[in-house]
Amino acid sequence: EVKLQQSGDELVRPGASVKMSCKASGYTFTDYAMHWVKQSPGQGLEWIGTIIPLIDTTSYNQKFKGKATLTADKSSNTAYMELSRLTSEDSAVYYCARSLGPFDYWGQGVMVTVSS
Amino acid sequence: EIVLTQSPTTMTASPGEKVTITCRASSSVSYMHWYQQKPGASPKPWIYETSKLASGVPDRFSGSGSGTSYSLTINNMEAEDAATYYCQQWNYPSWTFGGGTKLELK
Repeated sequence: EVKLQQSGDELVRPGASVKMSCKASGYTFTDYAMHWVKQSPGQGLEWIGTIIPLIDTTSYNQKFKGKATLTADKSSNTAYMELSRLTSEDSAVYYCARSLGPFDYWGQGVMVTVSS
Repeated sequence: EIVLTQSPTTMTASPGEKVTITCRASSSVSYMHWYQQKPGASPKPWIYETSKLASGVPDRFSGSGSGTSYSLTINNMEAEDAATYYCQQWNYPSWTFGGGTKLELK
């Protein structure tokens, strides 16, 4: 069974960074790209970026360059996303999703709340 | 960057009604994917490559379109279809989602 297990919800201070994880199981991690998607409260879906674990290549939505950093650890089948210099605009649910084409499996989401 | 515009933004439908959701692209695209999301849940793949139903999707759903205009249709709306639907496309090097259509049961 394919599963993407994301780390727990985060409460972080403005200006801080947060790193979340997405542990993949049930498939060969390096056979698929991993994407990250943001959903602000009451809003739609926004693609942040993609990492291809096999070759450690990343691509980013221009809007999130400098904000998000994507990495992957092939030894533990885990993808990571770090968000830096957090502001209230970064409060959202963040999903990981795998794909070869359409995003066919999604994690359960990490809710990040930025508050002092 | 290609922009996807969905219409309507919100709509209500009665059981048994036919529903059509449209997604227009700012430039021609080769295909469209669609996702369903219910409150508090992760999005689910619903229709891929314009017209192929994802696993488990009822056959009252269909997808069509080409170029800059794509649509998701529900024949005979059911209560379980109430959700938000998003279109999505890939145009190197970016993925883009439409703004979503919230479908409510009347």
